[in-house]
Amino acid sequence: QKEVEQNSGPLSVPEGAIASLNCTYSDRGSQSFFWYRQYSGKSPELIMFIYSNGDKEDGRFTAQLNKASQYVSLLIRDSQPSDSATYLCAVNLAGIQGAQKLVFGQGTRLTINP
Amino acid sequence: DAEITQSPRHKITETGRQVTLACHQTWNHNNMFWYRQDLGHGLRLIHYSYGVHDTNKGEVSDGYSVSRSNTEDLPLTLESAASSQTSVYFCASNDGGNIQYFGAGTRLSVL
Repeated sequence: QKEVEQNSGPLSVPEGAIASLNCTYSDRGSQSFFWYRQYSGKSPELIMFIYSNGDKEDGRFTAQLNKASQYVSLLIRDSQPSDSATYLCAVNLAGIQGAQKLVFGQGTRLTINP
Repeated sequence: DAEITQSPRHKITETGRQVTLACHQTWNHNNMFWYRQDLGHGLRLIHYSYGVHDTNKGEVSDGYSVSRSNTEDLPLTLESAASSQTSVYFCASNDGGNIQYFGAGTRLSVL
């Protein structure tokens, strides 16, 4: 079993709808979780991070974490064509404060259709 | 502006040759990372460093090495390039906070 799993998609969503991206992880001790966005041919950029169970909102983006189910999700409200990208889920396996050792899922390719 | 740069951006080499990919950051970040990205695999960690003279193996370190002689640079060396090492390579840095900042990537082809 891979440490971090995502549905590779492609996921197609109409403009204005909610896009829902999902991720599961295997290490129960994981404490911090990240969503990176990567446009085609570009480098990844961080859009959200979450540490605590529940929801965390930032503009049109909401990250959801359920540690009991080992599940992280990203919701994008009012989806725009500019949201079309690959979304990478990452889990920090470093046990040292201030250190990162990220394990990434394979990414979900999202397409927003006008 | 502070930044992280990778060079070269594109490289074609032959099987068996030694290749070094450069990564330079001007943020004075202690943490630096090398990843490779292949279709269907996302980003996979090759090596990482938490400071000068510190290096650690990631999940796909076989055939790669790094050294950290200063804060700004973490060069990645392929000792004897293999076709399986054809990939896009990303360098990243982090100051201990939440964000990893990625370079623009190096596309390496091993023929």
